[in-house]
Amino acid sequence: QQKVQQSPESLSVPEGGMASLNCTSSDRNFQYFWWYRQHSGEGPKALMSIFSDGDKKEGRFTAHLNKASLHVSLHIRDSQPSDSALYFCAASSNTGNYKYVFGAGTRLKVIA
Amino acid sequence: SVLLYQKPNRDICQSGTSLKIQCVADSQVVSMFWYQQFQEQSLMLMATANEGSEATYESGFTKDKFPISRPNLTFSTLTVNNARPGDSSIYFCSSKTISNERLFFGHGTKLSVL
Repeated sequence: QQKVQQSPESLSVPEGGMASLNCTSSDRNFQYFWWYRQHSGEGPKALMSIFSDGDKKEGRFTAHLNKASLHVSLHIRDSQPSDSALYFCAASSNTGNYKYVFGAGTRLKVIA
Repeated sequence: SVLLYQKPNRDICQSGTSLKIQCVADSQVVSMFWYQQFQEQSLMLMATANEGSEATYESGFTKDKFPISRPNLTFSTLTVNNARPGDSSIYFCSSKTISNERLFFGHGTKLSVL
């Protein structure tokens, strides 16, 4: 069983809308999360990290972590066509461990 | 941040041959990582390479099949030996800075094995 599960597999939202992506870790040791975004033909780029319970906001992106349920979400408000990409959730067992396990990804399409 | 340059961008090779992928960082980094990604799927960590020591391989990846060199703090190569169609994927080198857990990735090398 994959340690990091993402949902949905794909998502379409209208331009200006809100996109919500979900991620759950099945391993209680994996409590530190990053969100990465990968545009077609490029390498993944880190969007933001979240290590503590609650919300973390960076511009149009808000991550929410619930450590009790090991669930993390990413919300993108005012979605733009340039946000269309593959989004990965990555989880690690501690902040000093580079061994992040990546989920299978969510394909986001923002429709103009 | 770290900028990582990979060469080649893509390669096509015949089954049974070997090919080499190079990764150059714009600054010195302690560790370089190699990831494999099948078409728009998850990223799998293959190995970690530190300067002057043998690379550490993850389950499912071996030194004989994917030898990695790390001769200095800015350079690493990944070799794919005895390439098979099942090795067709995108290979990324990655690294991080000491002060941050953020991973930086190269643009990737798309390998097609015929």
